[in-house]
Amino acid sequence: AQSVTQPDIHITVSEGASLELRCNYSYGATPYLFWYVQSPGQGLQLLLKYFSGDTLVQGIKGFEAEFKRSQSSFNLRKPSVHWSDAAEYFCAVGTASKLTFGTGTRLQVTL
Amino acid sequence: EAQVTQNPRYLITVTGKKLTVTCSQNMNHEYMSWYRQDPGLGLRQIYYSMNVEVTDKGDVPEGYKVSRKEKRNFPLILESPSPNQTSLYFCASSLTGGNDSPLHFGNGTRLTVT
Repeated sequence: AQSVTQPDIHITVSEGASLELRCNYSYGATPYLFWYVQSPGQGLQLLLKYFSGDTLVQGIKGFEAEFKRSQSSFNLRKPSVHWSDAAEYFCAVGTASKLTFGTGTRLQVTL
Repeated sequence: EAQVTQNPRYLITVTGKKLTVTCSQNMNHEYMSWYRQDPGLGLRQIYYSMNVEVTDKGDVPEGYKVSRKEKRNFPLILESPSPNQTSLYFCASSLTGGNDSPLHFGNGTRLTVT
């Protein structure tokens, strides 16, 4: 069965600091991996996705993620966080029609 | 504007009183799906539909029904709601359901069952 673990429930960073959100997955085959962001009162928005090829993928809003098969990880990074990045972030694995989501990491940004 | 519209945004009801949460998309998407979001559990898929008249169970279908009579609408029906169905519900759609077809989410429906 596929599963996703996001070990950090809540992270606080200062504006301008770098960010890394962790995601570990379990999947029987080559994984399809996604990161979504949820702003308060909103639905989820796709940040980026990985299917194959280059293990470093670029997404919207300056985010990137690196797929590491040996570590079963797909961590999300941003070099410099903005206050508007405060939201909840979800990692997901599977096909788009059958996604398994992690429990989410809430990001707080201090000014 | 391309969007997924859910109604209502907030709903408080009592145990056993049938309710329907509507979901409509204006993007001519083939695929639609329902999720529930609970603290500490993330999003879990309830039902999905690859096309009109084609629906299938997700991970947590018990206590829910869906129908897909038209491409644009995918209502979620709770025949006899119970307090454990108190949750935040999201409808999503995509053009094909394939991995090259991103999911578009509605803004959610917060349901409270007392």
